[in-house]
Amino acid sequence: SQQGEEDPQALSIQEGENATMNCSYKTSINNLQWYRQNSGRGLVHLILIRSNEREKHSGRLRVTLDTSKKSSSLLITASRAADTASYFCATVHTFPSGTYKYIFGTGTRLKVLA
Amino acid sequence: EAGVTQFPSHSVIEKGQTVTLRCDPISGHDNLYWYRRVMGKEIKFLLHFVKESKQDESGMPNNRFLAERTGGTYSTLKVQPAELEDSGVYFCASSQGHLNTEAFFGQGTRLTVV
Repeated sequence: SQQGEEDPQALSIQEGENATMNCSYKTSINNLQWYRQNSGRGLVHLILIRSNEREKHSGRLRVTLDTSKKSSSLLITASRAADTASYFCATVHTFPSGTYKYIFGTGTRLKVLA
Repeated sequence: EAGVTQFPSHSVIEKGQTVTLRCDPISGHDNLYWYRRVMGKEIKFLLHFVKESKQDESGMPNNRFLAERTGGTYSTLKVQPAELEDSGVYFCASSQGHLNTEAFFGQGTRLTVV
């Protein structure tokens, strides 16, 4: 089953507005991470929130995690044109062997209009 | 410090041909992952190496895909013979051996099978 389904799939806002993206997942996690991908580039890590945390901030980014609802949200405040990118959440799962892997969703395409 | 590098950045091949993608992880990162993104869909997990061992190859589509990581350094992903549905962007990522850390991604290889 797919983990880390982002919502909305696409979002278009004006510069200066806030952008909120949501992520839902299905199974238990150790932590959840948000990544950004600019067109033609690799993914860049933005922020990590552990399963025992409820909120985390990093600059203009605010991430919340609700493990009871198996969901997370990413808020970008005072958006800029440079924030235009695809945003992915990744859930991190461990296995009895001790290994772990990152599971990504379909992403949210954010367009910030100048 | 060099990041994760992938080669080539783009590849266009005909159906039935063979293509080999290469990934050089960040030095010292034991964990190496391959992912694929097809036409705006989710970033799908393919497989995970810890050093030279395949820890999880549950995402490999079929036996036309072969991944290796000789000596636990760089990794190759070979597709033989390539089919049209193999087109997409192949990402490689590496991480340190700690659970609550991020994955570092390469810029991806865009594979087009015609």
